[in-house]
Amino acid sequence: EVQLVESGGGLVQPGGSLRLSCAASGFSLSSYEMNWVRQAPGKGLEWVSYISSSGSSIYYADSVKGRFTVSRDNAKTSLYLQMNSLRAEDTAVYFCARSAFDIWGQGTMVTVSS
Amino acid sequence: QSVLTQPPSASGTPGQRVTISCSGSSSNIGSNTVNWYQQLPGTAPKLLIYSNNQRPSGVPDRFSGSKSGTSASLAISGLQSEDEADYYCAAWDDSLNGWVFGGGTKVTAL
Repeated sequence: EVQLVESGGGLVQPGGSLRLSCAASGFSLSSYEMNWVRQAPGKGLEWVSYISSSGSSIYYADSVKGRFTVSRDNAKTSLYLQMNSLRAEDTAVYFCARSAFDIWGQGTMVTVSS
Repeated sequence: QSVLTQPPSASGTPGQRVTISCSGSSSNIGSNTVNWYQQLPGTAPKLLIYSNNQRPSGVPDRFSGSKSGTSASLAISGLQSEDEADYYCAAWDDSLNGWVFGGGTKVTAL
């Protein structure tokens, strides 16, 4: 079964850091571009970051540029999102999604609060 | 404020046709394909339409998509109660070098 499973969410204080992971199974991660998308409570979807299949091309939304870093380990079939200098407005469910969002994970909640 | 503009809500009686619009610009919808996603309450989004008008395997044929210029639309022909959900359009934006989503449309079966 094709599946994405996120982990690493939790409660963190403003200014803190968190690293999200996304484990892929049922398909060859190395063949696909990947994305992170977030959804604040009661709000719509917001694209966060893109990484090409090889990792050579990376893009970020302006709202996270300079604070978030996306990476991947194709050998470990995992995608990562390192989030630094977290703000209250980063509070959201974070989803990893394959390619043009044809497969989504279940999401992991990140809460930034003191 | 989302880059792609969708109406916040749409509704219809069971069996009725419901249409959702998605308006963008030359840098996104005007130059790239549009995808649509369905998000049922408390769940992750699901791909509904890709490449403007293609349905993934398993998506009922009552869902259809179209695109013209810098706008796209999703139609639900024969609305069913299980279609109550939030619907989002998305496209790659060449100017922003990123994906842009619509603000979402909540569909209600009256």
